[in-house]
Amino acid sequence: QEKLLQSGGGVVQPGRSLRLSCAASGFHFSSYTVHWLRQAPGKGLEWVAVISYDGDKKNLADSVKGRFTVSRDNAKNNLYLEMNSLRPEDTAVYYCTRDSITSSGYYEYWGQGTLVLVSS
Amino acid sequence: EIVMTQSPATLSVSPGERATLSCRASQSISSNLAWYQQKPGQAPRLLIFGASTRATDIPARFSGSGSGTEFTLTISSLQSEDFAVYYCQQYSDWPPITFGHGTRLDIK
Repeated sequence: QEKLLQSGGGVVQPGRSLRLSCAASGFHFSSYTVHWLRQAPGKGLEWVAVISYDGDKKNLADSVKGRFTVSRDNAKNNLYLEMNSLRPEDTAVYYCTRDSITSSGYYEYWGQGTLVLVSS
Repeated sequence: EIVMTQSPATLSVSPGERATLSCRASQSISSNLAWYQQKPGQAPRLLIFGASTRATDIPARFSGSGSGTEFTLTISSLQSEDFAVYYCQQYSDWPPITFGHGTRLDIK
């Protein structure tokens, strides 16, 4: 059974850093492109980052470019989002998601979500 | 960036009735459109991909149609568990992947 289990998150002051993790199980993690999305309180969904199956290709939303880094460890079946210089507008529930087998860009599997609250 | 526009923002429908939700893309996305359902406190759930293909274990009362710039999600006979927020998403030209702002489906 395919699963994505997220950890990390919490309350952090503006300007500080945080790392989110996403542990995959039940499927061949190293074959899939994976993404991070986020959802601010009461708002819609925003795509944040993508990393290819082998980690060679990465892309970030303009709103986080230069501050966030996406990475993966296929040996450990883990996905990461390193968030630096956090701002109040980064406050959101963050989701890791698995792309389709063809890396089309839609998501059948989601993590449970983890809340990041940026506040002094 | 492709902008996705959903309408209406809120739709009130009685159980057992049909609900029709609309999504428009700012440029042609062929059939590269997905629909998701989200309930409070939960991650979104994929309903439809390829504009009209139901995802695994999605009931037949959910159907998607359209191509190009105009898309529709139809729920043929609303069940109590269907009242939620629905998002459309394009994956034709990315990054960035973009979502509509959602349609809230309320009980009338």
